[in-house]
Amino acid sequence: EVQLVETGGGLIQPGGSLRLSCVASGFTVSTNYMTWVRQGPGKGLEWVSFNHNGGKTYYADSVKGRFTISRDNSKNTLYLQMNSLRAEDTAVYYCARMDCTGYVCFVDIWGQGTLVTVSS
Amino acid sequence: SYVLTQAPSVSVAPGETARITCGGNNIGSKSVHWYQQKPGQAPVLVINFDSDRPSGIPERFSGSNSGNTATLTISRVEAGDEADYYCQVWDSSRDHPGVFGGGTKLTVL
Repeated sequence: EVQLVETGGGLIQPGGSLRLSCVASGFTVSTNYMTWVRQGPGKGLEWVSFNHNGGKTYYADSVKGRFTISRDNSKNTLYLQMNSLRAEDTAVYYCARMDCTGYVCFVDIWGQGTLVTVSS
Repeated sequence: SYVLTQAPSVSVAPGETARITCGGNNIGSKSVHWYQQKPGQAPVLVINFDSDRPSGIPERFSGSNSGNTATLTISRVEAGDEADYYCQVWDSSRDHPGVFGGGTKLTVL
Protein backbone atom coordinates (compact mmCIF):
# COMPACT_ATOMS: atom_id res chain seq x y z
CA GLU A 1 0.00 0.00 0.00
CA VAL A 2 1.27 3.45 -0.93
CA GLN A 3 1.35 5.53 2.24
CA LEU A 4 2.93 8.56 3.89
CA VAL A 5 3.11 8.93 7.67
CA GLU A 6 4.20 12.20 9.25
CA THR A 7 5.49 12.66 12.76
CA GLY A 8 7.18 15.41 14.74
CA GLY A 9 4.46 17.98 15.20
CA GLY A 10 3.61 19.52 18.53
CA LEU A 11 3.51 22.67 20.62
CA ILE A 12 6.56 24.89 20.32
CA GLN A 13 7.37 28.38 21.55
CA PRO A 14 7.97 31.22 19.11
CA GLY A 15 11.56 31.20 17.96
CA GLY A 16 11.90 27.47 18.52
CA SER A 17 12.68 24.65 16.11
CA LEU A 18 10.99 21.43 15.05
CA ARG A 19 11.80 18.71 12.58
CA LEU A 20 8.97 16.94 10.82
CA SER A 21 9.51 13.47 9.42
CA CYS A 22 7.56 11.67 6.74
CA VAL A 23 8.10 7.96 6.18
CA ALA A 24 7.00 6.61 2.83
CA SER A 25 5.91 3.07 2.08
CA GLY A 26 4.92 1.44 -1.18
CA PHE A 27 7.16 3.69 -3.28
CA THR A 28 10.64 5.19 -3.27
CA VAL A 29 11.10 8.76 -2.10
CA SER A 30 14.37 9.13 -3.99
CA THR A 31 12.73 8.87 -7.41
CA ASN A 32 9.81 11.18 -6.77
CA TYR A 33 9.07 14.86 -6.35
CA MET A 34 8.07 15.34 -2.72
CA THR A 35 6.44 18.30 -1.07
CA TRP A 36 5.22 19.81 2.19
CA VAL A 37 1.86 21.60 2.12
CA ARG A 38 0.37 23.31 5.16
CA GLN A 39 -3.08 24.41 6.22
CA GLY A 40 -3.57 27.02 8.90
CA PRO A 41 -6.59 26.81 11.21
CA GLY A 42 -9.71 27.39 9.12
CA LYS A 43 -7.60 28.29 6.10
CA GLY A 44 -6.78 26.88 2.69
CA LEU A 45 -3.84 24.90 1.39
CA GLU A 46 -0.43 26.53 1.05
CA TRP A 47 2.63 25.11 -0.65
CA VAL A 48 5.59 25.25 1.75
CA SER A 49 8.40 23.45 -0.04
CA PHE A 50 9.09 20.81 -2.64
CA ASN A 51 12.02 19.19 -4.34
CA HIS A 52 13.19 16.29 -6.42
CA ASN A 53 16.14 14.28 -5.25
CA GLY A 54 19.19 16.26 -6.30
CA GLY A 55 17.08 18.72 -8.24
CA LYS A 56 15.60 22.15 -7.80
CA THR A 57 14.24 23.02 -4.39
CA TYR A 58 11.42 25.50 -3.82
CA TYR A 59 10.39 27.38 -0.71
CA ALA A 60 7.47 29.70 -0.15
CA ASP A 61 8.58 33.26 0.55
CA SER A 62 7.05 33.03 4.02
CA VAL A 63 9.45 30.23 5.07
CA LYS A 64 12.54 30.91 2.96
CA GLY A 65 15.67 31.01 5.10
CA ARG A 66 13.89 29.35 8.04
CA PHE A 67 12.72 25.97 6.71
CA THR A 68 14.81 23.28 5.02
CA ILE A 69 13.51 20.26 3.12
CA SER A 70 15.68 17.18 2.97
CA ARG A 71 15.45 13.45 2.56
CA ASP A 72 17.20 10.28 3.75
CA ASN A 73 16.89 7.83 0.91
CA SER A 74 18.18 4.95 3.04
CA LYS A 75 15.22 5.45 5.36
CA ASN A 76 12.79 6.38 2.57
CA THR A 77 12.00 9.48 4.60
CA LEU A 78 11.36 13.15 3.88
CA TYR A 79 12.07 15.85 6.44
CA LEU A 80 11.17 19.45 7.07
CA GLN A 81 13.46 21.31 9.45
CA MET A 82 11.65 24.37 10.78
CA ASN A 83 13.63 27.05 12.60
CA SER A 84 12.72 30.47 14.01
CA LEU A 85 9.09 29.43 14.20
CA ARG A 86 6.40 32.08 14.30
CA ALA A 87 2.78 32.07 15.39
CA GLU A 88 1.74 32.27 11.74
CA ASP A 89 3.47 28.93 11.09
CA THR A 90 0.76 27.23 13.16
CA ALA A 91 -0.84 24.72 10.81
CA VAL A 92 -1.37 21.11 9.89
CA TYR A 93 1.62 20.10 7.79
CA TYR A 94 1.02 17.53 5.08
CA CYS A 95 3.75 15.51 3.45
CA ALA A 96 2.81 14.57 -0.10
CA ARG A 97 4.05 12.93 -3.26
CA MET A 98 3.85 14.89 -6.44
CA ASP A 99 3.19 13.48 -9.89
CA CYS A 100 5.12 15.62 -12.35
CA THR A 101 4.53 15.01 -16.04
CA GLY A 102 6.45 17.35 -18.28
CA TYR A 103 6.03 20.77 -16.74
CA VAL A 104 2.84 20.00 -14.86
CA CYS A 105 2.68 18.74 -11.28
CA PHE A 106 -0.07 17.76 -8.90
CA VAL A 107 -0.30 15.86 -5.63
CA ASP A 108 -1.38 12.25 -5.95
CA ILE A 109 -0.63 10.94 -2.45
CA TRP A 110 -1.12 12.84 0.83
CA GLY A 111 -0.08 11.96 4.36
CA GLN A 112 -2.53 12.30 7.22
CA GLY A 113 -0.91 15.51 8.44
CA THR A 114 0.81 16.58 11.64
CA LEU A 115 -0.20 19.62 13.68
CA VAL A 116 2.35 22.27 14.56
CA THR A 117 1.27 24.87 17.10
CA VAL A 118 3.53 27.84 17.74
CA SER A 119 2.53 29.56 20.92
CA SER A 120 3.96 30.77 24.20
CA SER B 1 2.11 35.21 -8.78
CA TYR B 2 -0.79 33.49 -10.47
CA VAL B 3 -4.12 33.77 -8.61
CA LEU B 4 -6.97 31.25 -8.57
CA THR B 5 -10.35 32.50 -7.40
CA GLN B 6 -13.03 30.24 -5.92
CA ALA B 7 -16.39 31.13 -4.40
CA PRO B 8 -16.30 30.48 -0.64
CA SER B 9 -19.41 28.33 -0.64
CA VAL B 10 -21.85 26.45 -2.82
CA SER B 11 -25.07 24.79 -1.64
CA VAL B 12 -27.03 22.11 -3.42
CA ALA B 13 -29.84 19.68 -2.60
CA PRO B 14 -29.22 15.92 -2.69
CA GLY B 15 -29.61 14.51 -6.18
CA GLU B 16 -28.95 17.85 -7.85
CA THR B 17 -25.83 18.96 -9.72
CA ALA B 18 -23.11 21.05 -8.06
CA ARG B 19 -20.80 23.23 -10.09
CA ILE B 20 -17.69 24.60 -8.40
CA THR B 21 -15.72 27.13 -10.39
CA CYS B 22 -12.09 28.20 -10.34
CA GLY B 23 -11.21 31.45 -12.04
CA GLY B 24 -7.81 32.49 -13.35
CA ASN B 25 -6.29 34.56 -16.14
CA ASN B 26 -6.39 32.35 -19.25
CA ILE B 27 -6.71 29.28 -17.02
CA GLY B 28 -7.88 27.36 -20.08
CA SER B 29 -4.25 27.24 -21.21
CA LYS B 30 -3.22 25.43 -18.04
CA SER B 31 -3.94 22.03 -16.55
CA VAL B 32 -6.25 22.19 -13.53
CA HIS B 33 -6.39 19.65 -10.74
CA TRP B 34 -9.10 19.33 -8.07
CA TYR B 35 -8.94 18.04 -4.51
CA GLN B 36 -11.69 17.13 -2.06
CA GLN B 37 -11.09 17.61 1.66
CA LYS B 38 -13.53 16.39 4.26
CA PRO B 39 -13.35 17.75 7.84
CA GLY B 40 -10.36 16.45 9.76
CA GLN B 41 -8.99 14.57 6.76
CA ALA B 42 -6.22 15.06 4.25
CA PRO B 43 -7.14 16.22 0.74
CA VAL B 44 -7.87 13.64 -1.93
CA LEU B 45 -7.30 14.14 -5.66
CA VAL B 46 -10.62 13.86 -7.51
CA ILE B 47 -9.79 15.33 -10.94
CA ASN B 48 -6.46 15.84 -12.69
CA PHE B 49 -5.55 17.36 -16.03
CA ASP B 50 -8.84 19.25 -16.21
CA SER B 51 -11.11 16.23 -16.57
CA ASP B 52 -9.37 12.95 -15.77
CA ARG B 53 -10.66 10.91 -12.84
CA PRO B 54 -8.14 8.99 -10.75
CA SER B 55 -8.92 5.39 -9.98
CA GLY B 56 -11.68 5.04 -7.40
CA ILE B 57 -13.31 8.42 -8.02
CA PRO B 58 -16.99 8.08 -8.97
CA GLU B 59 -18.10 8.99 -12.49
CA ARG B 60 -20.35 11.61 -10.89
CA PHE B 61 -17.24 13.81 -10.66
CA SER B 62 -16.22 15.57 -13.86
CA GLY B 63 -14.22 18.60 -14.87
CA SER B 64 -13.87 21.13 -17.65
CA ASN B 65 -11.61 24.06 -18.39
CA SER B 66 -11.90 26.87 -20.90
CA GLY B 67 -11.16 30.56 -21.14
CA ASN B 68 -10.83 32.04 -17.68
CA THR B 69 -12.82 29.41 -15.78
CA ALA B 70 -12.35 25.79 -14.80
CA THR B 71 -15.33 23.89 -13.41
CA LEU B 72 -15.70 20.85 -11.20
CA THR B 73 -19.12 19.28 -11.68
CA ILE B 74 -20.61 16.81 -9.24
CA SER B 75 -23.74 15.10 -10.54
CA ARG B 76 -26.39 13.46 -8.37
CA VAL B 77 -24.88 15.00 -5.26
CA GLU B 78 -24.86 12.87 -2.12
CA ALA B 79 -24.52 13.84 1.53
CA GLY B 80 -21.05 12.30 1.51
CA ASP B 81 -19.89 14.84 -1.08
CA GLU B 82 -20.07 17.62 1.50
CA ALA B 83 -16.50 18.88 1.74
CA ASP B 84 -14.09 21.64 0.80
CA TYR B 85 -12.90 21.56 -2.79
CA TYR B 86 -9.63 23.12 -3.98
CA CYS B 87 -8.41 23.75 -7.51
CA GLN B 88 -4.69 23.78 -8.30
CA VAL B 89 -2.47 24.66 -11.22
CA TRP B 90 1.25 24.40 -11.88
CA ASP B 91 3.27 26.92 -13.84
CA SER B 92 6.94 25.98 -14.08
CA SER B 93 7.81 29.36 -15.60
CA ARG B 94 6.94 31.22 -12.41
CA ASP B 95 8.91 31.64 -9.20
CA HIS B 96 5.94 30.20 -7.34
CA PRO B 97 4.88 27.40 -9.67
CA GLY B 98 2.32 25.66 -7.47
CA VAL B 99 -0.90 27.52 -6.77
CA PHE B 100 -4.05 26.48 -4.90
CA GLY B 101 -7.37 28.22 -5.07
CA GLY B 102 -8.85 29.43 -1.82
CA GLY B 103 -11.30 26.55 -1.64
CA THR B 104 -15.07 26.17 -1.90
CA LYS B 105 -17.19 24.67 0.84
CA LEU B 106 -19.86 22.44 -0.68
CA THR B 107 -22.91 22.13 1.55
CA VAL B 108 -25.51 19.47 0.81
CA LEU B 109 -28.85 20.80 2.01
